[in-house]
Amino acid sequence: GAVVSQHPSWVICKSGTSVKIECRSLDFQATTMFWYRQFPKQSLMLMATSNEGSKATYEQGVEKDKFLINHASLTLSTLTVTSAHPEDSSFYICSAPRTSGGATLYNEQFFGPGTRLTVL
Amino acid sequence: KQEVTQIPAALSVPEGENLVLNCSFTDSAIYNLQWFRQDPGKGLTSLLLIQSSQREQTSGRLNASLDKSSGRSTLYIAASQPGDSATYLCAVRPHFGNEKLTFGTGTRLTIIP
Repeated sequence: GAVVSQHPSWVICKSGTSVKIECRSLDFQATTMFWYRQFPKQSLMLMATSNEGSKATYEQGVEKDKFLINHASLTLSTLTVTSAHPEDSSFYICSAPRTSGGATLYNEQFFGPGTRLTVL
Repeated sequence: KQEVTQIPAALSVPEGENLVLNCSFTDSAIYNLQWFRQDPGKGLTSLLLIQSSQREQTSGRLNASLDKSSGRSTLYIAASQPGDSATYLCAVRPHFGNEKLTFGTGTRLTIIP
């Protein structure tokens, strides 16, 4: 199956600093990637849709200036949590549907292993 | 707005038993439904995907059913094993071309050896 990686797998930072999380599709191209966050014992909530070559689209209530998304290539999307605060501590997961022949196959998404962010 | 609920939130069963996990959704106009497994601190592993036109899908000891009109899906696990212990999530996709998955609240399953 398709593989999606995330880096780092966990990060601890001080309040006020910025943290960058990478999401890579290792063996397929993904013009679209999705970023989710998951609080302890809760489900996944979609934060934003990352689009290669264009601006990300954010879900209602998600601050785009705080969660900067850059989809620089067909295999890489980054999420930067700017001026992180303790309430940003969460598990961040990305996913990507496979692209084939220029079309995105939304039938199945492949999820990364997640990044645990702890803001002190 | 689509809401997806999973009951129970947690379930513990002895090894070897068969079990059923439930998923319900409020808007029956879905394109497909997917079941995932999540191990603690890990990402998601896709288990089964059911298209809206299908009634069930099987993979090994897993069988997922879908009753779109009533807004329900079940995941049946046969002959449970300790390795099945994980959180199980269902997610629905609204329609073709709309990629946004709405996830359920999850069921945390523990298989007791």
